[in-house]
Amino acid sequence: QSVLTQPPSVSAAPGQKVTISCSGASSNIGNYYVSWYQQLPGTAPKLLIYDNDKRPSGILDRFSGSKSGTSATLDIAGLQTGDEADYHCGTWDSSLSAHVFGTGTKVTVL
Amino acid sequence: QLQLRDSGPGLVKPSETLSLTCAVSGASINSPSDFYWAWIRQPPGKGLEWIGSIYYNGNTYYYPSLKGRVTISADTARNQFSLNLNSVTAADTAVYFCARHATNGWCDYWGQGVLVTVSS
Repeated sequence: QSVLTQPPSVSAAPGQKVTISCSGASSNIGNYYVSWYQQLPGTAPKLLIYDNDKRPSGILDRFSGSKSGTSATLDIAGLQTGDEADYHCGTWDSSLSAHVFGTGTKVTVL
Repeated sequence: QLQLRDSGPGLVKPSETLSLTCAVSGASINSPSDFYWAWIRQPPGKGLEWIGSIYYNGNTYYYPSLKGRVTISADTARNQFSLNLNSVTAADTAVYFCARHATNGWCDYWGQGVLVTVSS
């Protein structure tokens, strides 16, 4: 069901920055807001970014989002061991008339 | 503080109906707002899949490939909403989450999730 494409995994050393991409199409990312979620093992997803680049209250500014054309990006700066998790992007797709999510990316801190 | 608590059987036989309930506290599901109440699932080792949503006025929206098998309904007296998925197969094995999502799609509150296994 995943309409949005993410890299399966990314990794970096503590303190470094990782970038996670989310690739879509004009029917989804190209015309709608993107959100990002962090999912720690065995837990429910947690909203990190909404409306492309906004952070909910309590989310640190180490997490930032952006969108350009039919792709979106989540940056995690100052990587910490506690950031090891799966990250998912999401948006609306007008062709499907449905909410869609990305394939998910596992972040590993080396 | 808004809380969602999803519950239901962890094992369902093939061809039968999967039924889950999400109890909501801290907000009324039938109050006009900019939020929807949704079901989302995650097959083992895979990404998230939106199943469908219900709005405060009872309007429902479903993922196209699940239409015909899925029903989301609300019990306003108990302030909870439910998922029924019929004719299940092994492909429906997943962790099922209930969530609240905004008009723009982002989900800010989630239930803890229920693992449902379809097996005889």
